[in-house]
Amino acid sequence: GEQVEQLPSILRVQEGSSASINCSYEDSASNYFPWYKQEPGENPKLIIDIRSNMERKQIQELIVLLDKKAKRFSLHITDTQPGDSAMYFCAASEGTGYQNFYFGKGTSLTVIP
Amino acid sequence: GGIITQTPKFLIGQEGQKLTLKCQQNFNHDTMYWYRQDSGKGLRLIYYSITENDLQKGDLSEGYDASREKKSSFSLTVTSAQKNEMAVFLCASSTGQNTEVFFGKGTRLTVV
Repeated sequence: GEQVEQLPSILRVQEGSSASINCSYEDSASNYFPWYKQEPGENPKLIIDIRSNMERKQIQELIVLLDKKAKRFSLHITDTQPGDSAMYFCAASEGTGYQNFYFGKGTSLTVIP
Repeated sequence: GGIITQTPKFLIGQEGQKLTLKCQQNFNHDTMYWYRQDSGKGLRLIYYSITENDLQKGDLSEGYDASREKKSSFSLTVTSAQKNEMAVFLCASSTGQNTEVFFGKGTRLTVV
């Protein structure tokens, strides 16, 4: 199946600065790329997603970029706050017929006040 | 909004024991999934089901069985619990059409 690589695995940033997480995928048929945030003891929740017909999407302080040619996508959190501290997962899905997701290994983000 | 309910929240079993994890969703979603979450390894797909009575193997299906008894429920059985499979098992569901996947809060399995 699809392989999704996610880096870095651990990220520590100062409050107010930006945080970036990068993912790459192998299957050029992948066309849907969601990002999930998981807080300790909680279930992963979708925070933003991008489809293959877009290169950039922004929701408030979250920006996702997609480079289909390079098979890379990234999440950028601008003006980080302590509440952004969590585990973040990227995923890729081909989404034809049934929907099968492949997740990255996760990035543990800590925002230092 | 809907909810995904996983039971039990914590499951302690003995090595070699057969253990069953249950999941219910009230989104009326067609597709349901079981993922295993290990620290540092992300979410790995064990089984998924695109409709009632359907079963599809994921990358991690060996050692597990699953059953989609009805549209709203999807259960996972660990056929013979091993100490190296202590992890959090996450159930999820979606419409299956390139949209958000909703997750339950997980069952944490400990094998003694």
